[in-house]
Amino acid sequence: GAGVSQSPRYKVAKRGQDVALRCDPISGHVSLFWYQQALGQGPEFLTYFQNEAQLDKSGLPSDRFFAERPEGSVSTLKIQRTQQEDSAVYLCASSFEDRVSGEQFFGPGTRLTVL
Amino acid sequence: AQSVTQPDIHITVSEGASLELRCNYSYGATPYLFWYVQSPGQGLQLLLKYFSGDTLVQGIKGFEAEFKRSQSSFNLRKPSVHWSDAAEYFCAVVMNSGYSTLTFGKGTMLLVSP
Repeated sequence: GAGVSQSPRYKVAKRGQDVALRCDPISGHVSLFWYQQALGQGPEFLTYFQNEAQLDKSGLPSDRFFAERPEGSVSTLKIQRTQQEDSAVYLCASSFEDRVSGEQFFGPGTRLTVL
Repeated sequence: AQSVTQPDIHITVSEGASLELRCNYSYGATPYLFWYVQSPGQGLQLLLKYFSGDTLVQGIKGFEAEFKRSQSSFNLRKPSVHWSDAAEYFCAVVMNSGYSTLTFGKGTMLLVSP
């Protein structure tokens, strides 16, 4: 079956613009994670959903970042008034389980460049 | 707070030679440990994981890793590297409570020379 998909794959935004990044998890997966990967760094946790509930948003770097998963499937990460430091690859991952041992399956990421 | 250290930013290995990528973690208890590989334009792929039991774990693509509690390490190994193994490798941990948020190291870029 299909894996995790993300769109767009590449996004260029002018500083101050709002952007929306989409994640389509594997069908039936309960857990959904967003990570931010800056150039030359490992991914860093942003937020976690269990079905439609956002259980952890402690990794969101500022109140300009907002994520939702209203029907417990597709998720959108929105960044308002983008800044240059927001330039990164944004990775989405989903997991069938909500337990610690649940394997996460990653999408290819969205590369955001803020000019 | 938990953290993961991968001391080598990049490593070059000749094709056919053995490989060892280092990973050390800082955490009060034994975490769940993972190795992921990321090829250009691809998502992260799980190579192997350790939760408990046998400290030597086997993964996909001929990789293995050994958990050493005394050294807080989880090094990745492969006996013979292929050119297709060139990629970036990430070690990650999960606290063994709650849900499975991953904390990643900064990664090691593997270059394979002919």
